[in-house]
Amino acid sequence: AQSVTQLGSHVSVSEGALVLLRCNYSSSVPPYLFWYVQYPNQGLQLLLKYTSAATLVKGINGFEAEFKKSETSFHLTKPSAHMSDAAEYFCAVSDKRDDKIIFGKGTRLHILP
Amino acid sequence: GAGVSQSPSNKVTEKGKDVELRCDPISGHTALYWYRQSLGQGLEFLIYFQGNSAPDKSGLPSDRFSAERTGGSVSTLTIQRTQQEDSAVYLCASSLGLGRFNEQFFGPGTRLTVL
Repeated sequence: AQSVTQLGSHVSVSEGALVLLRCNYSSSVPPYLFWYVQYPNQGLQLLLKYTSAATLVKGINGFEAEFKKSETSFHLTKPSAHMSDAAEYFCAVSDKRDDKIIFGKGTRLHILP
Repeated sequence: GAGVSQSPSNKVTEKGKDVELRCDPISGHTALYWYRQSLGQGLEFLIYFQGNSAPDKSGLPSDRFSAERTGGSVSTLTIQRTQQEDSAVYLCASSLGLGRFNEQFFGPGTRLTVL
């Protein structure tokens, strides 16, 4: 069965610094991978997704993620953090055999002024 | 008002009571999903609907949980004889169709507190 592991339930970065949120997946077949963001008191919003095309995926708000099969990773990055990036981020995986998306436990990103 | 809406936004109930949570999907979306979000546990898949049918109920945690969807639109998640461990945020999402090709749009959730 597919699964995702997000390293670090809380990550703090300074405003203007690099954001790196880690996600490793497990899937026996080529996966589809997603990053969602949840702002306070809001529902989840899709940031970006990997669907077996380009390995470097660009999303909204300046975020991007790179699919690395050899490392089974799909880390999320942003070159320069902004205060408005403070939120909870979820990595998710879906393989081609069913219609469910399996979410990680989430990483809460804190931006320090 | 084009997004997924859920009601109530907050629900406080006593242990043993039944609760009903409602989800109004985006108009035209045939697929509807329910998730449970517990503190530090991420999102737990509960059930999904394609139209009015639920081909996969495997995520429902116990027989106290049930869900229905009528008219291919509104869905209700019912929890009978609530327990304190049912306290969580219940999220609903809808998409144009099933599968990973279709982006899921999430509602704001219902925060359930069982005393």
